[in-house]
Amino acid sequence: DIQMTQSPSSLSASVGDRVTITCRASQSISSYLNWYQEKPGKAPKLLIYGVSSLQSGVPSRFSGSGSGTDFTLTISSLQPEDFATYYCQQSYSTSWTFGQGTKVEIK
Amino acid sequence: QVQLVESGGGVVQPGGSLRLSCAASGFTFSSYGMHWVRQAPGKGLEWVAFIRYDGSNKYYADSVKGRFTISRDNSKNTLYLQMNSLRPEDTAVYYCAKDFRDPIAAGYFDYWGQGTLVTVSS
Repeated sequence: DIQMTQSPSSLSASVGDRVTITCRASQSISSYLNWYQEKPGKAPKLLIYGVSSLQSGVPSRFSGSGSGTDFTLTISSLQPEDFATYYCQQSYSTSWTFGQGTKVEIK
Repeated sequence: QVQLVESGGGVVQPGGSLRLSCAASGFTFSSYGMHWVRQAPGKGLEWVAFIRYDGSNKYYADSVKGRFTISRDNSKNTLYLQMNSLRPEDTAVYYCAKDFRDPIAAGYFDYWGQGTLVTVSS
């Protein structure tokens, strides 16, 4: 299986900060990389698919980049509703796998 | 609007069985692949199983292969997960999730249910 490793595991940031989360795949996954947001007690929400395509309704402050094995999720200006846990997920192989998650907390 | 509603969770002893259901509405269920994804308490997300839109192909995570069976009834717009030989490590919230694309699966999930909790404990 393809292993997905996110860093950091958690971070503290303030409203208005620029936040970057990194995801690394154990082998090349081309552009088959997706990002989800999860809030306590709620189902995960698809944010970005195919590295950089924004899912409908997702604010433009979210963006994604990368290719091959290294990927990044960026929140350009952190908003109060963005405090959550973020997961990357590869859709390159049919044994789909997620990163371990990055928790974004209020500083 | 798309709705996915899971049911069937509960407490079961190790070695026992449980069948989860996911009732779908708001989209053409028979055109989309469907997945089960789980989340153990305080842990991350783990993909469990996938079934193609017509039921012709199924994939499983190694951790559940041979014990879990995914199926669907397109006439009832319902997805199932039969779980046998349950272990304590199967304790999790189980989500059904719709694949993004039809009919060829994209492998990512644009709608999720609210989840149903399965607890495996003696």
